[in-house]
Amino acid sequence: SSELTQDPAVSVALGQTVRITCQGDSLRSYYASWYQQKPGQAPVLVIYGKDNRPSGIPDRFSGSSSGNTASLTITGAQAEDEADYYCDSRDSSGNHVVFGGGTKLTVL
Amino acid sequence: QVQLVQSGAEVKKPGASVKVSCKASGYTFTSYGISWVRQAPGQGLEWMGWISAYNGHTNFAQKLQGRVTLTTDTSTNTVYMELRSLRSDDTAVYYCASTSVYSPSPFDYWGQGTLVTVSS
Repeated sequence: SSELTQDPAVSVALGQTVRITCQGDSLRSYYASWYQQKPGQAPVLVIYGKDNRPSGIPDRFSGSSSGNTASLTITGAQAEDEADYYCDSRDSSGNHVVFGGGTKLTVL
Repeated sequence: QVQLVQSGAEVKKPGASVKVSCKASGYTFTSYGISWVRQAPGQGLEWMGWISAYNGHTNFAQKLQGRVTLTTDTSTNTVYMELRSLRSDDTAVYYCASTSVYSPSPFDYWGQGTLVTVSS
């Protein structure tokens, strides 16, 4: 079982704000990264570190962390944001990478 | 621009081995690492392991330790992932992804994926 827990599914109305969370004890020590995956495509990094966006990622994507919970916030969700979102971080040993189970985001 | 191009789909029988390649371009190969991530049909992402192209240091997921090997060929900027003693639950899309030379994550750029099917 994953050491990082995500809600399986979340929905948001077009143009509204949505927060996707990732919980795990290791998040008290390590930042999460976030990936967007659309059907049939490879994942894409959208947030890493404290709140860093790779080049080309819209600024409506932001990250935050508090205690054992990391969050990905999409401010003003667009239809093209409908996808699966995965968090990753380190396991409790700090030596290995673990993924959350993924959250399917539906934009209504 | 950074590109990771993986080898084509494979069909293997249980107990066999598979070797998937990941050819990098668009950056200095030895300045980065490569992680491998797999995704079974309809399932989530699973990290498999990582190799530093700088010094060859490796790190593997505990459940795959002993069955997976990662190697680099700096003459062709290629990383290879070999998985042995294949089982049906190894059927998945296998991705390579670039990382820091010192850390197995985050995953900056991804290959296109290689479907490995294990079936008798």
